[in-house]
This record gives sequence, C-alpha cells and structure tokens, in this order.
Amino acid sequence: ELKVEQNPLFLSMQEGKNYTIYCNYSTTSDRLYWYRQDPGKSLESLFVLLSNGAVKQEGRLMASLDTKARLSTLHITAAVHDLSATYFCAGIDTGTASKLTFGTGTRLQVTL
Amino acid sequence: DTAVSQTPKYLVTQMGNDKSIKCEQNLGHDTMYWYKQDSKKFLKIMFSYNNKELIINETVPNRFSPKSPDKAHLNLHINSLELGDSAVYFCASSLAGVNEQFFGPGTRLTVL
Repeated sequence: ELKVEQNPLFLSMQEGKNYTIYCNYSTTSDRLYWYRQDPGKSLESLFVLLSNGAVKQEGRLMASLDTKARLSTLHITAAVHDLSATYFCAGIDTGTASKLTFGTGTRLQVTL
Repeated sequence: DTAVSQTPKYLVTQMGNDKSIKCEQNLGHDTMYWYKQDSKKFLKIMFSYNNKELIINETVPNRFSPKSPDKAHLNLHINSLELGDSAVYFCASSLAGVNEQFFGPGTRLTVL
C-alpha cells in the first residue's frame, strides 16, 4: 500500500527566501499531485507530475518528480505572504486506478 | 459556474442522528469520491464511484453509506452519528479515474 510522507510539517519563512518541501512515497506511484489548501477552504490543484524527471512551474512554485528516488519536491522561490497555506502532495498507487493517497501536508507560513 | 458543489456547507447535529451530504459535479467526469479530513488536516479517501459503480470502499464504518444516482451525483448518508465523525468531508471528481481530481468546497460536520 502506498504511503506518502512530507517534510517539513510546518515551515515558517521570511518573504523573499527560498525553500523546498519534500514528498517521499513508499511504492511505485503512477503520478504525483500537489494541492494547496487555504484555511477553511477546499483543495486547489497546483501540479500534476506524470513521469520521471517531470518539472512544472507556476509563478514562484516549481514541482519536480524523481520516480527512481520516489521523491517529489515543491520549491518556493522568493516567497511572498500570499503563498501562506497548507500544501499537500498525493500519489496514486499503481493498479488502484483512482485511489489518491495524501501526504500529511506542510503548513507554510510566510512572514513579512 | 461551480464545478463540484456540496450541500450543506456546515452541519451541526446531535449524536445518534442520521444525516446526509450531497455532492454534484458539472464537469462531465465519470468518477466521484468522498474524502474525510480530520482535525489534524489529514485527508483520507473513503469511497469512490465510477459511472455509478462502487470501486473504492476503504475501511469505513458501515454507518456510512454512499449512493450515486447518476455519474454527476454522489451522496453520503451517515447513520447513528458519533463524536468521532466530526470532520470536514470533501467530495471530488475526475475523468477516467487516474486524472487530476477536483474538490468541492467541503462540508464541516460537527457532532455534539
């Protein structure tokens, strides 16, 4: 059964700084997803990573996937306060088609 | 236009009551899901339906019964509510099961 771990669980960073959130998963995953959740809100899809070496960027966020290392990263460049949210990675267990397994989430707080 | 909608948004009820949450999607997707997010923000899949057929049924008490009248709707009925059922329940949908999942706004259930 797929297990997904994220670290750190909580990240406080200053505006303008760079940082990376790590997502490790235990078995082969067909694809890897990143979601953002604001307090009291729903989950917003950020990235879908489909294959080894995939890299996607949107604004100050960049996600990558290394299937050999079973690792995905979400890199934040020059953080701004608006990026404060909880970020989840999630994988789909090969052969289970639609079962999305979420990581524990990383609560990001960007301070002025 | 709302893509995935849920009603109600908030639900406060007494232990032992029976309640239902409704979900509808207008994205033309064929797969729908129910997730539970606990107080620590951990997200776990409960059920998934593909074209009205149950395809994922995680270890969930049988007090929880999903029903999909058609592929655009997935409802969740909960019998004999317990304190531990208090959580946010998210509905989601996707196309063909393995693609990106889109989440509804969530229903915050509080059992007193």
